Amino acid sequence: QLQESGPGLVKPSETLSLTCTVSGGSISNSVYYWGWIRQPPGKGLEWMGNIYFAGNTNYNMPLKSRVIMSVDTSKNQLSLRLSSVTVADTAIYFCVRFSSRAAFQWGPGTLVTVSS
Amino acid sequence: QSALTQPASVSGSPGQSITISCTGSSSDVALYMFVSWYQHHPDKAPKLLIYDVTHRPSGISNRFSGSKSGNTASLTISGLQAEDEADYYCSSYTSSNTMVFGGGTKLTVL
Repeated sequence: QLQESGPGLVKPSETLSLTCTVSGGSISNSVYYWGWIRQPPGKGLEWMGNIYFAGNTNYNMPLKSRVIMSVDTSKNQLSLRLSSVTVADTAIYFCVRFSSRAAFQWGPGTLVTVSS
Repeated sequence: QSALTQPASVSGSPGQSITISCTGSSSDVALYMFVSWYQHHPDKAPKLLIYDVTHRPSGISNRFSGSKSGNTASLTISGLQAEDEADYYCSSYTSSNTMVFGGGTKLTVL
């Protein structure tokens, strides 16, 4: 199972930080890799990026300058940091387990609102 | 990387079959066999229906099937049921080592 956690409200220009706790399996399993997908209200899904347990990352180009993903194998967690947020970053953020270039397992998602 | 193109909406009656198209480019759908499809009911997490163009994960009904021709992938739902009413998204791996989604298709079961 995947479970996102973090503040539901972030101020503009600040940094959004979310954690995803992985249970029922090891985040170090090399068969899988991990990442984040978001959905702004009323809009479609947007792939943000992914990370392998060894730390290699791939990010969506429009976000690349603002996003950092990391894994903590000791805690079986992955993290997302998105800096300099604006109202356009208001979205439901999903933690995802990938395999074969597909999102096989999703967390329930967490709504993050960017507002002053 | 531009989003993949899906119809905004499709509809069908119970028992019928519908097909949702997903058009990409020579850098994604046409280039790789890494197209996947997702079902998204409101207030729930999306669910993977199809991966690698045609493969169904364990537990997914064989009423859902996928295919691809050139730069267009398709999802077919046969024997339409009321619970199939949802949003559907396609995605593809890209030559930039990224992933791109379609804009989503709202399926209405009449």
